[in-house]
Amino acid sequence: AQSVTQLDSHVSVSEGTPVLLRCNYSSSYSPSLFWYVQHPNKGLQLLLKYTSAATLVKGINGFEAEFKKSETSFHLTKPSAHMSDAAEYFCVVPHPGSGGYNKLIFGAGTRLAVHP
Amino acid sequence: DAGITQSPRHKVTETGTPVTLRCHQTENHRYMYWYRQDPGHGLRLIHYSYGVKDTDKGEVSDGYSVSRSKTEDFLLTLESATSSQTSVYFCAIKRESTDTQYFGPGTRLTVL
Repeated sequence: AQSVTQLDSHVSVSEGTPVLLRCNYSSSYSPSLFWYVQHPNKGLQLLLKYTSAATLVKGINGFEAEFKKSETSFHLTKPSAHMSDAAEYFCVVPHPGSGGYNKLIFGAGTRLAVHP
Repeated sequence: DAGITQSPRHKVTETGTPVTLRCHQTENHRYMYWYRQDPGHGLRLIHYSYGVKDTDKGEVSDGYSVSRSKTEDFLLTLESATSSQTSVYFCAIKRESTDTQYFGPGTRLTVL
């Protein structure tokens, strides 16, 4: 069965410093993986998606994530945090079902705080 | 932006009353979903639809029903609202070309 674990519920960084949000997944096959971002009182926005074409995936707003099969990880990084990056981030793995509807399995989320 | 709107955006209701939330999409997608978001749980699937009149249950479907009589609208009904259904509800569509879900802005429901 597919599952995701986000290893930190809260991460706090200073503006201009690197961001690392950690995600481990469990899957019986090589999955697709997603990161979504949710800004306060907003809906979820797709940040990036891994589909096995390349292990390093670039997303919006300077974020990227690296798929490491040997470590079953899909950590999200950004070289330099900006105040506007403060949000909640969700690591997500699809769970394929009959008819191809692909139920999404969400991690519990990591809240990123960025300080001046 | 996937052309998804949700209504109402905020609602306060009392225990025992029925509530209907509406999700509307403008891009003619076949798949639509309803999720609820609660602290510490991420999002959890309530029901989904794979076409007009074709719906199925997700992992937290008790106390909820759905209907889809038109491609563009997916309705979520709380038959008799309880305080445990206080949550933020998100609708989503799936773009089949990329096998990716996109989310609406959410409805914040409070059951007193």
